[in-house]
Amino acid sequence: ETGVTQSPTHLIKTRGQQVTLRCSSQSGHNTVSWYQQALGQGPQFIFQYYREEENGRGNFPPRFSGLQFPNYSSELNVNALELDDSALYLCASSWDQLSTGELFFGEGSRLTVL
Amino acid sequence: AQRVTQPEKLLSVFKGAPVELKCNYSYSGSPELFWYVQYSRQRLQLLLRHISRESIKGFTADLNKGETSFHLKKPFAQEEDSAMYYCALSSNTNAGKSTFGDGTTLTVKP
Repeated sequence: ETGVTQSPTHLIKTRGQQVTLRCSSQSGHNTVSWYQQALGQGPQFIFQYYREEENGRGNFPPRFSGLQFPNYSSELNVNALELDDSALYLCASSWDQLSTGELFFGEGSRLTVL
Repeated sequence: AQRVTQPEKLLSVFKGAPVELKCNYSYSGSPELFWYVQYSRQRLQLLLRHISRESIKGFTADLNKGETSFHLKKPFAQEEDSAMYYCALSSNTNAGKSTFGDGTTLTVKP
């Protein structure tokens, strides 16, 4: 059983650029949630994907978008990067959208915007 | 709006001493509460959830709806408990959409 994997682990971008982060969910999980964790803060919910559809969104602007693929892997895209987008981006998978069970987290992608 | 507050950024105790990490929340519905832990150089992982009413690694947490709290307790801290602890809240149907506190760094000194 493979865990949640994210890529890349680190990346540096400049303001105005676009970035794509990738996540492979844990085997058997059909739900992926994305979180942003700024330095010194807890993870903040960005959005969730369930069976290739967005299933809820936190307080993030439309330039944060995502995709989920038939194999349940997912992408997070951020357009028009701003300095405040610098953060650790975490992906978490779970068995189902109606699950109150355990979230399995990846190790994160650390984005630095200069 | 959902909110989770962990009032202590840092907490330091000696080995063998009791430890309590505080968590307060605000939520209008029936919340599900969780504690997550992140050990050094490891990923964030679930420690325990209130619906399970279980003790993990000697830790327990009781949901107090009157005080809107979900404090994490352990009677005798161990050095290996040193880590970052996050309290999280979700609706009763979707743990993936959780609201996290800003975490407490616990250091257990020898």
